[in-house]
Amino acid sequence: EVQLLESGGGLVQPGGSLRLSCVASGFMFTSYGMSWVRQAPGKGLEWVSSINGSGNGTYYADSVKGRFTISRDKSKNMLYLQMNSLRVEDTAIFYCAKDMRRGSGNTNSFDAWGQGTLVTVSS
Amino acid sequence: EIVLTQSPATLSLSPGERATLSCRASQSISNYLLWYQHKPGQAPRLLIYDAFNRATGIPARFSGSGSGTDFTLTISSLEPEDFAVYYCQQRSNWPPITFGQGTRLEIK
Repeated sequence: EVQLLESGGGLVQPGGSLRLSCVASGFMFTSYGMSWVRQAPGKGLEWVSSINGSGNGTYYADSVKGRFTISRDKSKNMLYLQMNSLRVEDTAIFYCAKDMRRGSGNTNSFDAWGQGTLVTVSS
Repeated sequence: EIVLTQSPATLSLSPGERATLSCRASQSISNYLLWYQHKPGQAPRLLIYDAFNRATGIPARFSGSGSGTDFTLTISSLEPEDFAVYYCQQRSNWPPITFGQGTRLEIK
């Protein structure tokens, strides 16, 4: 069974940093692209970032480019999102999501999602 | 950036009724359109990929159609567990990957 479990959320002041983690199990982690998607309070889903299976291709929404860094550790089956220079508008539940199809690229069809971790940016 | 516009924003129906949800893209996305179901406190669930293909384990009452710019998600006969928020997502032209703003399907 595919499982994704996020952690690392919490309360942080504007300008602060946080690193989110997502541990994956039940599938060959290095064969699938992975992504982060967030949902601000009362809002819809917003794509944040994606990384390909090998980790050498990364993509970002304009709203987080230059502030967030996605990475993965194949030895630990872990996906990360390093978030710097956090803003109030980054407050959201952050979900990690798995590509549906295995391959070297990202297909961006998300067939498994974690339960999410809440990030609150407030002074 | 491709903008997805979902309609209606809220749909009020009763169990057993047919639900029709729409998603319109700001430019052609071929059939690279997905539908997700999202309930509060839960992970989003993939229903339909590439416009009309049901994901693994999705009941046959869910169906998708459309291509180009206009897409539809149909639930043929609503079950109590189907009341949720539904999002469309495009994967044609990225980054960015974009989602529609969602349709809330509520019990009438």
